[in-house]
Amino acid sequence: QSVVTQPPSVSGAPGQRVTISCTGSSSNIGAGYDIHWYQQLPGTAPKLLIYGNSNRPSGVPDRFSGSKSGTSASLAITGLQAEDEADYYCQSYDSSLSYVFGTGTKVTVL
Amino acid sequence: EVQLVESGGGLVQPGGSLRLSCAASGFTFSSYWMHWVRQAPGKGLVWVSRINSDGSSTSYADSVKGRFIISRDNAKNTLYLQMNSLRAEDTAVYYCARDISGIDPYWGQGTVVTVSS
Repeated sequence: QSVVTQPPSVSGAPGQRVTISCTGSSSNIGAGYDIHWYQQLPGTAPKLLIYGNSNRPSGVPDRFSGSKSGTSASLAITGLQAEDEADYYCQSYDSSLSYVFGTGTKVTVL
Repeated sequence: EVQLVESGGGLVQPGGSLRLSCAASGFTFSSYWMHWVRQAPGKGLVWVSRINSDGSSTSYADSVKGRFIISRDNAKNTLYLQMNSLRAEDTAVYYCARDISGIDPYWGQGTVVTVSS
């Protein structure tokens, strides 16, 4: 099982702001390793949303933002849209020489 | 256009073996670290293994260490995952991915592995 935890689900109405937390430990997020966020639509491969804690690749709307502090990170989605309904995963590195994904969060647009 | 195309998945009995392949095109394959990531039905993403650009260094998740072997052939632009002593809990979609912690990762569409008698 993953050592990096996320809430199983979050939901919001269109236009609202939602945040997804990503909680790790001193061997991964707290050790200074970068956090990356992926969005996975049903039946598709994951897509990079945020890299290096807070950077957006070109083409990703600025409604998506990332931050990191201590042993945790968070992804915020402002102006929630129906197309944002998906699973979201944080990803980092662990001092045990392994890569880790968070447990995943399903975002539902009400 | 960057492409990663996995193949080799299928149905295998517990204790059996499979070799997955991932054919890369559209980028300089030999310059990138490559990964295998899996996703069991209805579950989250789980990192499986990683290999560096020239194949000299590998690492594995504890759950597959000693059973799976990652390798690459840069002349053929192909990544491999040899899976031995397969268990029911290895059932998943297996994704080949480029540089998952970089600024320009890329994922294949996955190949399904089912371990069942």
